[in-house]
Amino acid sequence: DAGVTQSPTHLIKTRGQQVTLRCSPKSGHDTVSWYQQALGQGPQFIFQYYEEEERQRGNFPDRFSGHQFPNYSSELNVNALLLGDSALYLCASSRRTGGEQPQHFGDGTRLSIL
Amino acid sequence: GENVEQHPSTLSVQEGDSAVIKCTYSDSASNYFPWYKQELGKGPQLIIDIRSNVGEKKDQRIAVTLNKTAKHFSLHITETQPEDSAVYFCAASRRSGYSTLTFGKGTMLLVSP
Repeated sequence: DAGVTQSPTHLIKTRGQQVTLRCSPKSGHDTVSWYQQALGQGPQFIFQYYEEEERQRGNFPDRFSGHQFPNYSSELNVNALLLGDSALYLCASSRRTGGEQPQHFGDGTRLSIL
Repeated sequence: GENVEQHPSTLSVQEGDSAVIKCTYSDSASNYFPWYKQELGKGPQLIIDIRSNVGEKKDQRIAVTLNKTAKHFSLHITETQPEDSAVYFCAASRRSGYSTLTFGKGTMLLVSP
């Protein structure tokens, strides 16, 4: 049973560029949440997708956007990259239907901005 | 919004000792409290969780306790082993599957042989 998978594992960009990160949820999960984890900190919620719509959003600017596809996979897009966007980006999947389930995380994408 | 405080930030124990990590939360509507273990280069892995209608939950060497009145919950690891060394995060949310998780800043646990 495959868990949450994210790609790429590492990415290096320069300021002003844009980036797309990808996530495939755990089998049977229909909800995808994205988190940003700065070095030495706990993950911070960015937004959550369910039924291909953004359902909840944390305190992040609209340079951060996302998408969910019919197969439940998801993308996180960040435009106009800043040095402060350097972080580990984590995807978590869960299931809303059929009873509540905990959120399971992937291993993340390490994004470095030069 | 929710705010989660976690202590201590680092914890060093000898193999076989017990380790306790404590968290407090601010939102009285929070009713789901998971604990995650994060090893170097990996994502957080759920190790145990508790809902507000339960005061304590155990799974082998790991236990979590919850005091809703005081708004705090704790992780207890008994008979620690070197492979328990990792960063541990507590979190709180209003529902488990689709509510946002608010995390503490983490505790680095080091278990020495």
